[in-house]
This record gives sequence, C-alpha cells and structure tokens, in this order.
Amino acid sequence: DTAVSQTPKYLVTQMGNDKSIKCEQNLGHDTMYWYKQDSKKFLKIMFSYNNKELIINETVPNRFSPKSPDKAHLNLHINSLELGDSAVYFCASTKMASGRGTQYFGPGTRLLVL
Amino acid sequence: DQQVKQNSPSLSVQEGRISILNCDYTNSMFDYFLWYKKYPAEGPTFLISISSIKDKNEDGRFTVFLNKSAKHLSLHIVPSQPGDSAVYFCAASAEYGGSQGNLIFGKGTKLSVKP
Repeated sequence: DTAVSQTPKYLVTQMGNDKSIKCEQNLGHDTMYWYKQDSKKFLKIMFSYNNKELIINETVPNRFSPKSPDKAHLNLHINSLELGDSAVYFCASTKMASGRGTQYFGPGTRLLVL
Repeated sequence: DQQVKQNSPSLSVQEGRISILNCDYTNSMFDYFLWYKKYPAEGPTFLISISSIKDKNEDGRFTVFLNKSAKHLSLHIVPSQPGDSAVYFCAASAEYGGSQGNLIFGKGTKLSVKP
C-alpha cells in the first residue's frame, strides 16, 4: 500500500528514444509534482499539477510533458531523449497546492541515457 | 542561483551526540521551511517544518530553529542515532512572490552517525 509509487524504478535507454515514467498516489491528494535530481544532487521542480492547473518550470524543455489521466496519476513523457536527461526523477503529491502541505515523494526513477 | 544553500555536504557525528545541520536562504519572500530526510534508493520523506512566524519547532528528537534576520535555519537532532544516517534536505517555499508556493530545495547534507 505504497503512498506514492513510480514505475519503472530503473530505465536505461538510447539517445533519441521516447520514454514514459508513471506515477500513482493513493493518498487522495489534489496536487502532484515531478522533480529532477541531477548529478549535482539538486532537487528541482519540473511541473506541478492539480485538476485545475498545470504549472511548468520555464527551464524544462518542451520535450518533457506531463499527462494526468486522473487525479491519482501524473505520468511524465519524454521525447527525443538526450544524454543530459540522465538523472533521478521523483514524483510527489500533496493535499495543498500552496507549498504548506507536506509533499510525499515516490522512490524515484533512475534514468540513464546512453 | 541557489536560493537555498546547504554549505556542508557532509557531517559525521558520534551516536548520542547532537547533530546540527545548517541551511541558509537568500529569498526574503520565503515564509515556510521544511526538512526532508532521504535514504539511498528512496524518495525524500518529510521530517519537520517551521513557519516564518515562529523561531523554533520541536518534534521529539528533532528541533528546527529559524533566524529570519540572518536568513538561516538549522536542524538539531539529539541524541543522534545510527538510523539517522541519511541525506537531509532543507526546503523553502513562498506563498507570494511568483513561485506558486513550490518547494525550493538545498543540495543536501549527508549525515553519518557512528556507533
């Protein structure tokens, strides 16, 4: 009964491929996020999404796109993968969108682009 | 530009002693601060938070202190236990100021508690 789950846990792929990472939360939260932790260990927000609004970090390339089939899921699609996309991607969710609510993180997806 | 800075990449402490993890921030709009703990191959887990209207918040062995004038916060763990060994991330958010309340994370400090 994991609160926030991500699949796959590891993803190794070639440059130029398109891939997706799935995220599901069973907490009944309204807001979900995608974060990227790069080689320098910074955790940076990529997207925040609730059923009303998608907010995109302006530094995220448009090759990245979140898709939410319902409130419990926020998947991340990445087109034309590049070497620099190699990182750990974390999904998170919270009840409150204001930043005041505790964010619950998934275990991370380790993406390696060769 | 790093708005949240954790200048010590690592800290080693003896079991039973106090661990003090430090965090500095530059954005005066930040009004809510959190500490997250992360074990290898897991996602960060929430530890403790503090609002800018307070200067101290305590939860068991964990206490967070906020010094707004210095734009500095610290996490005290006492007594430290080997199970506390993890990476600790400081995070901040601003209700106003254009960041939509998103969390801005520091780079983390790896704490090792030796038996």
